[in-house]
Amino acid sequence: DVKVTQSSRYLVKRTGEKVFLECVQDMDHENMFWYRQDPGLGLRLIYFSYDVKMKEKGDIPEGYSVSREKKERFSLILESASTNQTSMYLCASSLAGGNQPQHFGDGTRLSIL
Amino acid sequence: ILNVEQSPQSLHVQEGDSTNFTCSFPSSNFYALHWYRWETAKSPEALFVMTLNGDEKKKGRISATLNTKEGYSYLYIKGSQPEDSATYLCAHSNAGGTSYGKLTFGQGTILTVHP
Repeated sequence: DVKVTQSSRYLVKRTGEKVFLECVQDMDHENMFWYRQDPGLGLRLIYFSYDVKMKEKGDIPEGYSVSREKKERFSLILESASTNQTSMYLCASSLAGGNQPQHFGDGTRLSIL
Repeated sequence: ILNVEQSPQSLHVQEGDSTNFTCSFPSSNFYALHWYRWETAKSPEALFVMTLNGDEKKKGRISATLNTKEGYSYLYIKGSQPEDSATYLCAHSNAGGTSYGKLTFGQGTILTVHP
């Protein structure tokens, strides 16, 4: 079974802090994704990566950056956390192609105070 | 339709009822339609990926159909059980994003099955 592991289930940070969310997958997937989920808004794509060191902006990239130095690891960075970034963050991975199912981690519930 | 839309937003049914919900998506440049089930305190789990017009997929009591020409998919649950309670998400991939696997998700349908 594919395992996607997010580093924290719950995280509390302060406004202005630099925040790192880590995601690791163990199935050699080419694609990795970061989403946030807010009530009534569904899953919204922040950034995705289709190869090591390659990244593409999703629908809501503002205030975020990403890093993919190794194939199995995809990091989401909040450069200067703000209260409107309080949310549930989900990482996913998949084989290349839009017809491949995505495999999700358990999510990180991030609160910015 | 520019975005992926799901209806209804929420649904309450009694155990044993059959139910269905709808996903509407852009019909141009279609590549794939995904359905996921997201149970509380768990991670979303892929149910189906469909690519062909007229496609039908089945997994136990859950099935899905696809109409790419008119841009909709139905998810059916036969004989709902309390363990079917979850948020059901659909997601669309267009041909422009083929090699990247980028999906656009709908808002989800929250299903509650009462014993």
